[in-house]
Amino acid sequence: NAGVTQTPKFRILKIGQSMTLQCTQDMNHNYMYWYRQDPGMGLKLIYYSVGAGITDKGEVPNGYNVSRSTTEDFPLRLELAAPSQTSVYFCASRRTSGRVDTQYFGPGTRLTVL
Amino acid sequence: GQNIDQPTEMTATEGAIVQINCTYQTSGFNGLFWYQQHAGEAPTFLSYNVLDGLEEKGRFSSFLSRSKGYSYLLLKELQMKDSASYLCAVTNDYKLSFGAGTTVTVRA
Repeated sequence: NAGVTQTPKFRILKIGQSMTLQCTQDMNHNYMYWYRQDPGMGLKLIYYSVGAGITDKGEVPNGYNVSRSTTEDFPLRLELAAPSQTSVYFCASRRTSGRVDTQYFGPGTRLTVL
Repeated sequence: GQNIDQPTEMTATEGAIVQINCTYQTSGFNGLFWYQQHAGEAPTFLSYNVLDGLEEKGRFSSFLSRSKGYSYLLLKELQMKDSASYLCAVTNDYKLSFGAGTTVTVRA
């Protein structure tokens, strides 16, 4: 049981380049999330999904796109990378059932845009 | 809007107790999470409170007062490995909103 996996772990992009951050979970959770975390800051929600085929914007969606074609995968697309997108990106999946609610995070992708 | 406040830093001695407060003003509320995050790592789940009161899990306890918009995380018998950032997060339906985190430093 791998939990939430993310690739790549590290990436350096040039301004204007594009890339896709991959996220996969094997726990059959319906809810999945993308966050970014800047140094010394909390997590900011970029996009989230409540099930395959359903996505919605979070607090900071500009410059990003997502898709959710399967329950397992929730890739995040950066188009025209900018230095402001330098951050650590965490994907998470969430299990919620009554009073039980747990969010599991992937190991993160450290992205630098130069 | 969502407003979640935590102290920025706290320092305590090994073996002591530290209480990390979190106050929130949010447009909706289902429950409150506490996460631990070591430097360079992903957050890991500590607790989830839905109802008012104290929930204890070993050395860690979490308290919630929904009427006051207030929670705290209590860390007892501090160990060096407890040096980390502690994140408070409020759930509202599908979304979570995080505070900026409290960095706890444990000194020998």
